[in-house]
Amino acid sequence: SQQGEEDPQALSIQEGENATMNCSYKTSINNLQWYRQNSGRGLVHLILIRSNEREKHSGRLRVTLDTSKKSSSLLITASRAADTASYFCATGSGGSYIPTFGRGTSLIVHP
Amino acid sequence: DVKVTQSSRYLVKRTGEKVFLECVQDMDHENMFWYRQDPGLGLRLIYFSYDVKMKEKGDIPEGYSVSREKKERFSLILESASTNQTSMYLCASSPEVAGAETQYFGPGTRLLVL
Repeated sequence: SQQGEEDPQALSIQEGENATMNCSYKTSINNLQWYRQNSGRGLVHLILIRSNEREKHSGRLRVTLDTSKKSSSLLITASRAADTASYFCATGSGGSYIPTFGRGTSLIVHP
Repeated sequence: DVKVTQSSRYLVKRTGEKVFLECVQDMDHENMFWYRQDPGLGLRLIYFSYDVKMKEKGDIPEGYSVSREKKERFSLILESASTNQTSMYLCASSPEVAGAETQYFGPGTRLLVL
């Protein structure tokens, strides 16, 4: 079953603009992860934020986590055409080894 | 860098054939997973394994079986392929850390069953 739900489902922007996508989830978590998937390829891990963290940065990526609202956002600054991909959030909970993935946001960055 | 490899990028099989999808990881991870990905449905877990010879059913195990004889290798078997098993198959591995830490994915196998 899917716990994380990304919003929007699709996003189209121009190169140089910022892209923001959101993830909401339903139950308490240990961590939340963001992955990128280029067309026809496997998922690549981008960043993991733990439940006791509020914000994390990695290069042009900024992730926030609001456990009171059960939501997270991924911000990609100064987007590039190469950022065109699907982005998934995944939540890790309790003693499980299995993260729960959302259905993803499809991002298109026009050059 | 962690590397997860899958035996084929593209595969075409006939209905009724037995199909083997192989996955190998080189990071000594305890956990390995098989997902299928279909448009609009996201990733769905088929099986996972937390140790050699150990396996657990995921959300959609019907029509599939798995084998893990060695720690680095996790095989997905379609006993009798059907057209509704046409999909993208993704293998992943992760270390033995409770709370579902980072997964490392292979490049995927796109399977077409005719």
